[in-house]
Amino acid sequence: GDSVTQTEGLVTLTEGLPVMLNCTYQTIYSNPFLFWYVQHLNESPRLLLKSFTDNKRTEHQGFHATLHKSSSSFHLQKSSAQLSDSALYYCALRTGYNKLTFGKGTVLLVSP
Amino acid sequence: EAAVTQSPRNKVAVTGGKVTLSCNQTNNHNNMYWYRQDTGHGLRLIHYSYGAGSTEKGDIPDGYKASRPSQENFSLILELATPSQTSVYFCASGTGTGNTEVFFGKGTRLTVV
Repeated sequence: GDSVTQTEGLVTLTEGLPVMLNCTYQTIYSNPFLFWYVQHLNESPRLLLKSFTDNKRTEHQGFHATLHKSSSSFHLQKSSAQLSDSALYYCALRTGYNKLTFGKGTVLLVSP
Repeated sequence: EAAVTQSPRNKVAVTGGKVTLSCNQTNNHNNMYWYRQDTGHGLRLIHYSYGAGSTEKGDIPDGYKASRPSQENFSLILELATPSQTSVYFCASGTGTGNTEVFFGKGTRLTVV
């Protein structure tokens, strides 16, 4: 079945340093849709980024990601971390069957 | 902004009891989903639905049933609750077309004692 693998557990960064959260996926579907959701403390997950176009960079709120079908990856990046970026980040995969599968999540903690 | 409302927001249930979690959306979305969120496991899909009358098994359906009596409502039913089902449950809805996002409710914290 479909699966998503993310950078495990906790990533700690100092404010101002670059952010890189890894996401790889597995599916037999040739045209997957990839998403990044962010969940701040005591809130619900909400969409941060999405893509289905191979090798095209997508950006939102300072974050960016590029879907690479050749390596089945959709890594999340930001050039400079802010304190407000501290949150739980999920990578998610949707195939043509509309099933939406999430990874285990990565907690990003940004400190001053 | 799409609206997904879950009830109750908090629930304490006894082992062996029946629990029903309700979800209502006013977005006219075809697809609805039930996830549970646990530390170390992330969001895991329990059941989902393509529309009224349909339910599909997700990745961890054992011990759960789902019901979609209408476009707006999607329930998750635990016939015989167990402590291992203690978790935070999220309902979500979406149009279901590939690149579109899903919208989550605020979650239900369920404790089975």
